[in-house]
Amino acid sequence: AQRVTQPEKLLSVFKGAPVELKCNYSYSGSPELFWYVQYSRQRLQLLLRHISRESIKGFTADLNKGETSFHLKKPFAQEEDSAMYYCALSGGSNYKLTFGKGTLLTVNP
Amino acid sequence: DGGITQSPKYLFRKEGQNVTLSCEQNLNHDAMYWYRQDPGQGLRLIYYSQIVNDFQKGDIAEGYSVSREKKESFPLTVTSAQKNPTAFYLCASKGTGAGTGELFFGEGSRLTVL
Repeated sequence: AQRVTQPEKLLSVFKGAPVELKCNYSYSGSPELFWYVQYSRQRLQLLLRHISRESIKGFTADLNKGETSFHLKKPFAQEEDSAMYYCALSGGSNYKLTFGKGTLLTVNP
Repeated sequence: DGGITQSPKYLFRKEGQNVTLSCEQNLNHDAMYWYRQDPGQGLRLIYYSQIVNDFQKGDIAEGYSVSREKKESFPLTVTSAQKNPTAFYLCASKGTGAGTGELFFGEGSRLTVL
């Protein structure tokens, strides 16, 4: 079974502060991990994936297989980062993509 | 204009009625998905299809049915057996093969049972 846990439902920070959204997963094989974001009144969209190891909008996420984590980080939060963030796991070839419950990030001015 | 189209955006239904939500994509994607989004529950997978004429149950398939007769279309029927049908439903699709893990989502359909 594959499972994704996002322990924080809500996260509130001030503009310019560092932000970390936590994600832990459970999967017996080699997972693919993703972060999706949903801005107000917009479609859910991909933010980044662990395979590409890229930084998008200043966000990064590193897959830590030892801790089974894929935390999303940004050193200096901006107000436009306020959104709902979902961590997701794909178990390789089975095409099943499992999402966490999401974390609502609010960046205050 | 490529993408995923869900219809209707809003739907009201009386208890005991079945209702079908439409999902169409013109991205030439093989895989399609239906999720249910509830406050505090995140996205929960209802059904998914890797290819035409094939589909698998997700985590909360009870009370739902799907079909995949065409590559472009993956309609979801919410049956009267679904105990809590009022929810926001999201359809998604993705390409298959290496490096194609990104899901593309529709705008969603909000179903309210009266």
